[in-house]
Amino acid sequence: GAGVSQSPRYKVAKRGQDVALRCDPISGHVSLFWYQQALGQGPEFLTYFQNEAQLDKSGLPSDRFFAERPEGSVSTLKIQRTQQEDSAVYLCASSLLETQYFGPGTRLLVL
Amino acid sequence: QQQVKQSPQSLIVQKGGISIINCAYENTAFDYFPWYQQFPGKGPALLIAIRPDVSEKKEGRFTISFNKSAKQFSLHIMDSQPGDSATYFCAASIVVSNTGKLIFGQGTTLQVKP
Repeated sequence: GAGVSQSPRYKVAKRGQDVALRCDPISGHVSLFWYQQALGQGPEFLTYFQNEAQLDKSGLPSDRFFAERPEGSVSTLKIQRTQQEDSAVYLCASSLLETQYFGPGTRLLVL
Repeated sequence: QQQVKQSPQSLIVQKGGISIINCAYENTAFDYFPWYQQFPGKGPALLIAIRPDVSEKKEGRFTISFNKSAKQFSLHIMDSQPGDSATYFCAASIVVSNTGKLIFGQGTTLQVKP
């Protein structure tokens, strides 16, 4: 079956632009996570959804970051007024139980 | 207390050798410890995972050793192959009564020389 997919795979944005990153989880997976991975570092937790409910957003670095999962399936991570420090790979993962399956990530470069 | 510390940062091993990567944690509430493998341009992929009620788990050439009292766990890759060259991350989470968010180590870049 299909794994977790993310789009776009690469995104170049000018500082101050808004971006939207999409995640299609594995069908039937209740839990969905977003992580941020800086170059040469381990992924860091951003936010967690159980179905459509955002139960934990403690990792979102600022109020410029916003995530939604309105129908409990596809999720979108939105970053407003992008800054250079937002440049990273954004990973989405979904799970049914404890095992998290990751997508390939979206590499965001803010110029 | 939420940190997971991983070492070494990088590792070079000859083909056929044993690769060993270590991780340490502080939060005794962690109850799930996975290891992920990541190739350049790809997302992390689960290799093997362990719960704290066992001291060792083996799957093929990959073994996790877990020391609950020392709050340490390690990944052993037996008969290392050039195809194992990748970045490895340990992680920890609290699955029971929590979101299950993963706390990752800093990663170990493994190079297996032919």
